[in-house]
Amino acid sequence: AQTVTQSQPEMSVQEAETVTLSCTYDTSESDYYLFWYKQPPSRQMILVIRQEAYKQQNATENRFSVNFQKAAKSFSLKISDSQLGDAAMYFCAYRGPYGGATNKLIFGTGTLLAVQP
Amino acid sequence: NAGVTQTPKFQVLKTGQSMTLQCAQDMNHEYMSWYRQDPGMGLRLIHYSVGAGITDQGEVPNGYNVSRSTTEDFPLRLLSAAPSQTSVYFCASLRTVANTGELFFGEGSRLTVL
Repeated sequence: AQTVTQSQPEMSVQEAETVTLSCTYDTSESDYYLFWYKQPPSRQMILVIRQEAYKQQNATENRFSVNFQKAAKSFSLKISDSQLGDAAMYFCAYRGPYGGATNKLIFGTGTLLAVQP
Repeated sequence: NAGVTQTPKFQVLKTGQSMTLQCAQDMNHEYMSWYRQDPGMGLRLIHYSVGAGITDQGEVPNGYNVSRSTTEDFPLRLLSAAPSQTSVYFCASLRTVANTGELFFGEGSRLTVL
């Protein structure tokens, strides 16, 4: 069965600095999707960034980028120029290849990010 | 476009009571699912559906029932609530045909069972 592991329950970063959140996963599939979701105190789940496993290029969305290491099954999130609004719980998630039961998302346990002014 | 709508947003129950969490989406998504979120455990899949009339169990299905009579609606039923079901519940949907990979989430429902 697929699993997702986030080994950092809490992280802290100074405003304007860079922080990296770690995520590892386990799967026997060759094609899949990986996601980072942000959950602020409002508890809304917000998609931050998405990576398709068949793409070698790391995904980037403004200040957010990933380091996708397929062989190592690692998917870390880098937040550059951290802002107070980045403070939230961040979840790494895995989804299998297209179709049926593999559409389900498997989540890690989350990393709570604090941003210090 | 409302997206995924969950009701109620907050609910307090007594042990043994029953209730239904409602979920509706207006995006014509084939796939719908329910998750529960507990501290230190992330989000865990309760039940999911790949289309009207089709449902299946996820990781933690015990104590919950679902049905999918229409594409739009996917209610989650607690037949006899227990304190262990105190949690935040999320409904999420996906359009499998377009296969963008992204699940769309409702705003969550906080349930407390006394």
